Amino acid sequence: AQSVTQPDIHITVSEGASLELRCNYSYGATPYLFWYVQSPGQGLQLLLKYFSGDTLVQGIKGFEAEFKRSQSSFNLRKPSVHWSDAAEYFCAVGHFGNEKLTFGTGTRLTIIP
Amino acid sequence: EAGVVQSPRYKIIEKKQPVAFWCNPISGHNTLYWYRQNLGQGPELLIRYENEEAVDDSQLPKDRFSAERLKGVDSTLKIQPAELGDSAVYLCASSSPLAVASYEQYFGPGTRLTVT
Repeated sequence: AQSVTQPDIHITVSEGASLELRCNYSYGATPYLFWYVQSPGQGLQLLLKYFSGDTLVQGIKGFEAEFKRSQSSFNLRKPSVHWSDAAEYFCAVGHFGNEKLTFGTGTRLTIIP
Repeated sequence: EAGVVQSPRYKIIEKKQPVAFWCNPISGHNTLYWYRQNLGQGPELLIRYENEEAVDDSQLPKDRFSAERLKGVDSTLKIQPAELGDSAVYLCASSSPLAVASYEQYFGPGTRLTVT
């Protein structure tokens, strides 16, 4: 069975500082990996995805993520956060042949001035 | 392009009452998902449709939950009777039938259900 761990429940970052949100997955074969963002009262918006190929993927809003098979990780990064990035971030895993996604419990990001 | 539409956005009901949620997926998306998101948690799949067929309903509590997707477009999720523990956000998502794009799910804003 596939699973996702987001070890950080809550992260606080100063505006303009860099950000890294951690995601570890468990799946035997090559996973499909996703990061979603959820603003208060909103649905989930897809930030970026990894299916295969280049392990560094670029997404919307200046986010990127790196797939590291050896560490079973897919961490999300942004070089300089903006106050509008404050939200809940979810990592999700799927795999070929099954469109079912398994989500992590999320990381809440707070931005301080 | 319009996104996934859900209604109502908020619903407050008393326990033991019935409730229904409606979802209209993105045009051309043949796969539709219903998720439940409890407070402080990630979404958990309740049911997945391929066109009109429910292909994965293993997580749907069938004693009180039901869903339908007539004509393979809109879908309705129903709870009858509701329990206090059903308070959550119910999310609908859809995905395209095209190759790896079928693994990209697009979510609606959700319906926040409060059972009192």
